[in-house]
Amino acid sequence: DAKTTQPPSMDCAEGRAANLPCNHSTISGNEYVYWYRQIHSQGPQYIIHGLKNNETNEMASLIITEDRKSSTLILPHATLRDTAVYYCIVRSLYSGGGADGLTFGKGTHLIIQP
Amino acid sequence: DARVTQTPRHKVTEMGQEVTMRCQPILGHNTVFWYRQTMMQGLELLAYFRNRAPLDDSGMPKDRFSAEMPDATLATLKIQPSEPRDSAVYFCASGLGGSQPQHFGDGTRLSIL
Repeated sequence: DAKTTQPPSMDCAEGRAANLPCNHSTISGNEYVYWYRQIHSQGPQYIIHGLKNNETNEMASLIITEDRKSSTLILPHATLRDTAVYYCIVRSLYSGGGADGLTFGKGTHLIIQP
Repeated sequence: DARVTQTPRHKVTEMGQEVTMRCQPILGHNTVFWYRQTMMQGLELLAYFRNRAPLDDSGMPKDRFSAEMPDATLATLKIQPSEPRDSAVYFCASGLGGSQPQHFGDGTRLSIL
């Protein structure tokens, strides 16, 4: 799996949009971008994923650059409950040798300020 | 919402004891994963199954760890004998395979004294 680079921490004011960047410059054509978050003492929570088109769901939006070398997760109206570690992960569709598993980096610790 | 269920949520035991952790995947999911999280190593994949068959357990210490799926509704991870360095949070996740996301349980927090 391609490696990702994320800032270790970010702050955002409550009610504002939180924009979390991720670099994945070595991503290959069959690799998806997934975003998860982990709130203290809970399991990782799936947020959103995409291949090359921008995606939106009830939780967030995912913007992937045209060259696919970076992406941004957008939480449109951050609340205190969005304080968590956010993980950007790239993963191949093809199985074998552990390719089905997720490789977690250190993520970004997002702190929502009141 | 359907959830992955893990039991027990917490386990404290002495070194040398056998530990069994259980996972009930989301109904209909055909892939099941075991991960371990520590402060030092972060989240690591231990093993995973597709349609109950083990596909990869290269992340698991083979001499003391074993993972099985007795049926489609139960996955187990056993440690025998347990050691203090096994202390961690163990997560189970399930999914439909392909590009579909994995969904995680809330983990078993294991402390080996």
